[in-house]
Amino acid sequence: EVQLVESGGGLLRPGGSLRLSCAASGFTFSSYAMTWVRQAPGKGLEWVSTVSSIGGVTYYADSVKGRFTISRDNSKNTLSLQVNSLRAEDTALYFCAKEGWFGPDAFDIWGQGTMVTVSS
Amino acid sequence: EIVLTQSPGTLSLSPGERATLSCRASQSVGSGYLAWYQQKPGQAPRLLIYGASRRATGIPDRFSGSGSGTDFTLTISRLEPEDFAVYYCQHYDSSSWTFGQGTKVEIK
Repeated sequence: EVQLVESGGGLLRPGGSLRLSCAASGFTFSSYAMTWVRQAPGKGLEWVSTVSSIGGVTYYADSVKGRFTISRDNSKNTLSLQVNSLRAEDTALYFCAKEGWFGPDAFDIWGQGTMVTVSS
Repeated sequence: EIVLTQSPGTLSLSPGERATLSCRASQSVGSGYLAWYQQKPGQAPRLLIYGASRRATGIPDRFSGSGSGTDFTLTISRLEPEDFAVYYCQHYDSSSWTFGQGTKVEIK
């Protein structure tokens, strides 16, 4: 079964740091770009960051550039997101998502998300 | 950066009715890189349509996508009870991905 399982979320103070993880199974992880998408409580979806299949190329939304770092370990089928200098507006459910089998333009598999809450 | 505007914000319909959801881009979307997702409360989004009109694996044929340029439509031909949810359009532009704000399809 194709599956993505996120972990690592929690409650943090502004300025704090956290590392989110996404464990992949059921597909050839190293063949696909992987992405983080977040959703603030009661709000819509926001693309956060994408890493290429072998990890050499990364992309970030302007809202997180310089604070978040995406990475992957293809030997462990794991995607990560290091989140630093957290702000209240980073409070969201963070989903990892897989590039479509047809290409990078959409995401065909999603995890259930891990919640990050930033509050003083 | 392309901005996607979805309308209406909420669509109130009865089971069996036809739903027509709109997604308008602030500038032309090249190569049909437009996708649609369904999200139910407490669940992850599910891919419905990619490439503007291609149904994803396992998606019923009552869901269809159309459009080009700046105007795209998701049509649900006959609403089933499980179709009441929030729908998002999404665009890809070589190094960024953008979502619309969503349309909620609710039971009338």
